[in-house]
Amino acid sequence: QLQLQESGPGLVNPSETLSLTCTVSGVSVSSNSYYWGWIRQPPGKGLEWIANIHYSGSTYYSPSLKSRVTISMHSSKNQFSLNLYSVTAADTAVYYCATLRSQDPYYFAYGGQGTLVTVSS
Amino acid sequence: QSALTQPRSVSGSPGQSVTISCTGTNSDVGRYNYVSWYQQHPGKAPKVLIFDVSKRPSGVPHRFSGSKSGNTASLTISGLQAEDEADYYCCSYAGSYTHYVFGTGTKVTV
Repeated sequence: QLQLQESGPGLVNPSETLSLTCTVSGVSVSSNSYYWGWIRQPPGKGLEWIANIHYSGSTYYSPSLKSRVTISMHSSKNQFSLNLYSVTAADTAVYYCATLRSQDPYYFAYGGQGTLVTVSS
Repeated sequence: QSALTQPRSVSGSPGQSVTISCTGTNSDVGRYNYVSWYQQHPGKAPKVLIFDVSKRPSGVPHRFSGSKSGNTASLTISGLQAEDEADYYCCSYAGSYTHYVFGTGTKVTV
């Protein structure tokens, strides 16, 4: 059974880097059958897509965040990660990792429970 | 890319039907048959209800259905139940630059 679990610091200082990891179980992140991605939700607000990655190395970024985001894969640990640079209070959100099926990568099939990251000094 | 437009809230009595609209543009909803809908209970992660406009993942009750006309997609909940009280978000693929755009979200009250 495919499961995803986010992990990372719950508090990040302004101007620093937000780093999150998603640990995948039940399937290999190196599988050709899936894409892996990140979505976020500021408190009381809606959902925003951040980035996707495929085992082939292809990456896809939201135009609004592209200049500050890197998504990467760590196959040996069956994980993928997100780095968001130069954060501000506007980056405070619950961050979800998610997966999309390669055969239909147009919806988020499964997601983690989410992790709240607060940007504050 | 602006968020897709959804009504802020809809309500209905148990057993009734409610429909949530999701209005985009001819660059997203109107161009691609890749609209998905997500249910989110308070404090929980979103869960997919509908993908590719009208397809239901296994395990999703048949009372949830999706459709699209022009730049507007819709989610209908038939036979409303107490557990359907939640926030609902639409999402559309929007091409190889923007990729995905979400809706503003709708709170359903039963």
